[in-house]
Amino acid sequence: AQSVTQLGSHVSVSEGALVLLRCNYSSSVPPYLFWYVQYPNQGLQLLLKYTTGATLVKGINGFEAEFKKSETSFHLTKPSAHMSDAAEYFCAVSDLADKLIFGTGTRLQVFP
Amino acid sequence: DAGVIQSPRHEVTEMGQEVTLRCKPISGHNSLFWYRQTMMRGLELLIYFNNNVPIDDSGMPEDRFSAKMPNASFSTLKIQPSEPRDSAVYFCASSATNEQFFGPGTRLTVL
Repeated sequence: AQSVTQLGSHVSVSEGALVLLRCNYSSSVPPYLFWYVQYPNQGLQLLLKYTTGATLVKGINGFEAEFKKSETSFHLTKPSAHMSDAAEYFCAVSDLADKLIFGTGTRLQVFP
Repeated sequence: DAGVIQSPRHEVTEMGQEVTLRCKPISGHNSLFWYRQTMMRGLELLIYFNNNVPIDDSGMPEDRFSAKMPNASFSTLKIQPSEPRDSAVYFCASSATNEQFFGPGTRLTVL
């Protein structure tokens, strides 16, 4: 069975600082991994996904994530935070089917 | 494409009343998902359909909840009777591959 653990329910950074949101997964089969972002009062929007191939995945808004099988991790990073990045971020894992298992989310705050 | 459409966006009702939430998936998507989001429990998958057939309803909290997908372009989630603890944001999502596209959600308040 698949599961996802997001370390840190809240992360605060200064504008311009590195953003690092942590995600570890558990899967009995090669996983598909996703990061979604949710802005206030909106639905979830896909940031990036890993299915196969290159382990460093680039997404929208300057975010990227690296799939590390040996560490069962898929951490999300952005070199320089912007005020508009303040939102809730969800990591998710799926098997070869459509069903996603979401983590509990990390709320990112960006201070000027 | 207009994306996933949900209606209503907000619903306020009284305990005991029937509530029906509606979803129109993206055209061509063959999977549809209903989620519930609360502060306490986070994002929970309630049920999902593939080609209009319910595949997994293990997340439906109790018999008061039911979902239907009569055709490829429409789904409903019904709560009867509603209770205050059903207050949450309900999301519908659809997919054609492994990427799910979410609607804007319906914020349900049961008084």
